[in-house]
Amino acid sequence: TQLLEQSPQFLSIQEGENLTVYCNSSSVFSSLQWYRQEPGEGPVLLVTVVTGGEVKKLKRLTFQFGDARKDSSLHITAAQPGDTGLYLCAGALSTSYDKVIFGPGTSLSVIP
Amino acid sequence: DADVTQTPRNRITKTGKRIMLECSQTKGHDRMYWYRQDPGLGLRLIYYSFDVKDINKGEISDGYSVSRQAQAKFSLSLESAIPNQTALYFCATSDHATFSTDTQYFGPGTRLTVL
Repeated sequence: TQLLEQSPQFLSIQEGENLTVYCNSSSVFSSLQWYRQEPGEGPVLLVTVVTGGEVKKLKRLTFQFGDARKDSSLHITAAQPGDTGLYLCAGALSTSYDKVIFGPGTSLSVIP
Repeated sequence: DADVTQTPRNRITKTGKRIMLECSQTKGHDRMYWYRQDPGLGLRLIYYSFDVKDINKGEISDGYSVSRQAQAKFSLSLESAIPNQTALYFCATSDHATFSTDTQYFGPGTRLTVL
């Protein structure tokens, strides 16, 4: 069974703090996506990383794909209450959608 | 108006009942997907369709069936609902077949409870 683990499972921080969440697997992915899901809504794509070692920035969010393409991290600088949500990673074992694995998510709460 | 809509948003039913969840999209995408989300397990693919005549099973298709009535409509049916099908169900659409170059657009979800 292919697994994608995310840590921590829950995270509660004060506004203005920095944080990093992780996505790990023993499998090699051809690409990996990060999503944010808010209560009562579906996931929304934040970024896709494709190349090992790749770093992408989206305002205060920095995404990194591991050199071996087995793991990824999401770093948020100066967290804001609007960053609250469930952060999901999804890794593709091939180019086909039926080979995509979603992690269970990290639930982030940013307290004003 | 939302690009991907799902009806109903919430449903409580009893074991053995037949249930249909509906999804409609206005994005003009050919590709549509059904997922279920369970706490601690992430999203799992049930069925997907790359066009009206193309239906494919996902990771967990047992106990489910789908119908692609038109480009814009993709329905998920539970023929005889059982309690372990209690979950949050999401429909999604996309414009490309390749994950690495694609963006999936998710609906708001249907919360299904089977008693």
